[in-house]
Formats: sequence, C-alpha cells, structure tokens
Amino acid sequence: TQLLEQSPQFLSIQEGENLTVYCNSSSVFSSLQWYRQEPGEGPVLLVTVVTGGEVKKLKRLTFQFGDARKDSSLHITAAQPGDTGLYLCAYDNAGNMLTFGGGTRLMVKP
Amino acid sequence: DTGVSQDPRHKITKRGQNVTFRCDPISEHNRLYWYRQTLGQGPEFLTYFQNEAQLEKSRLLSDRFSAERPKGSFSTLEIQRTEQGDSAMYLCASSLAAVTGYNSPLHFGNGTRLTVT
Repeated sequence: TQLLEQSPQFLSIQEGENLTVYCNSSSVFSSLQWYRQEPGEGPVLLVTVVTGGEVKKLKRLTFQFGDARKDSSLHITAAQPGDTGLYLCAYDNAGNMLTFGGGTRLMVKP
Repeated sequence: DTGVSQDPRHKITKRGQNVTFRCDPISEHNRLYWYRQTLGQGPEFLTYFQNEAQLEKSRLLSDRFSAERPKGSFSTLEIQRTEQGDSAMYLCASSLAAVTGYNSPLHFGNGTRLTVT
C-alpha cells in the first residue's frame, strides 16, 4: 500500500500569514490530487499535478509536485478565514479509487 | 447540475440496528463511489459502481455492508447490525467514465454522518 503522509496535521494561523503544507511518500506517483474539505461538506478537488517539478497556481494557492514525483506541497499566500478547512492530498489507484492522506486541518483566524 | 445529493445528512442509531443511506449522483455520471471518513482522517474507498454493476469492493467493506445501484442511477448503502466502530461520515461521489478510458474528476456529496450509540 502506498501511503501518503501529510504534515502538519493541524495549523492555526492569523489572517495574512503565509503557510505551506506537505504531502510525502516513499512511492512514486503518476499524479497527485489536492482537495479542500469544509466542515459538514464533501471534499472539493482543487488541482491535479502530473509532471515532476510542476507548479500550478490557483489564485493565492501554489501547488508543487516534487521532481521525483514522490511528494507535493501546497503554499497559501496571505491566508484568509475562508481558507479554513481540511486539505487532503490523494492518489488515484485506478479509475477514481482514491487513497487519501490524513489531511492538514487549517484554521485561519481573523 | 444539482450536484451529488445524499440523504439523510445525519443518522443516529443504536448499536445492532440496520441503517440505509441513499445517494443520487450527478445525472449524466455513470460511476458512483462510496467512501467512509472517520473523524480526523481522510476518506477511505469502500466500493464503486459503473452503471448498475458493482466493480470493486474494498476489504474495509465487511459482510455487514451492502451497496446497490439497481437502475444505474441512485445508490443505497446498507449497514446491518451496526457497531460503534461504524460511526463515521459516509461520502458518495460520482464521475463520468468515457469509453476512451478517461475518467472525469470525482464530485463528492456532503455525506451522511452516522453516529452509533
């Protein structure tokens, strides 16, 4: 089983701060997905990274796939309270049978 | 596109009782998935259907769990003789699988939160 380890597990910051969360594994992946899940809701796909070294930007969110395709990071610039949620990385075993990491729970205080 | 709909949103039941959850996928999606998420963890895959056929079941899906998608549209997940360890959020998701092999991204519902007392 390929495991995804996410760190930190919890992060509480003030509005306006920057942060980075990590998704690590010893395995190589063809792609990794990032989701955000707000309380009481299902996960929502943010981005899929496919190419080693790839950087994708979604407004204030920057996603990077490691050169060796074993890890990924999510950087948020000038965090806002609306960024609060559970950030999950996942890989696709086949046909959307996803294996998720344990997630990073982010709280951004106003 | 009204999204993936799950019912009920919350269910509290006593240990030993049977419960059934319903999922209505996005109408044009032919694949439907069930995941389970316990507090503080990421979702875990349980099973999925392509149309009415159940194509894959996780080892997590014990004999007390059964899922159906009789007409290839909505799906039900039944848990018999519930145990406290079954307490979790049960998430349904759907996607469109094309004959080319391409799978559209998953769209998740907002889940059914089960509490077994």
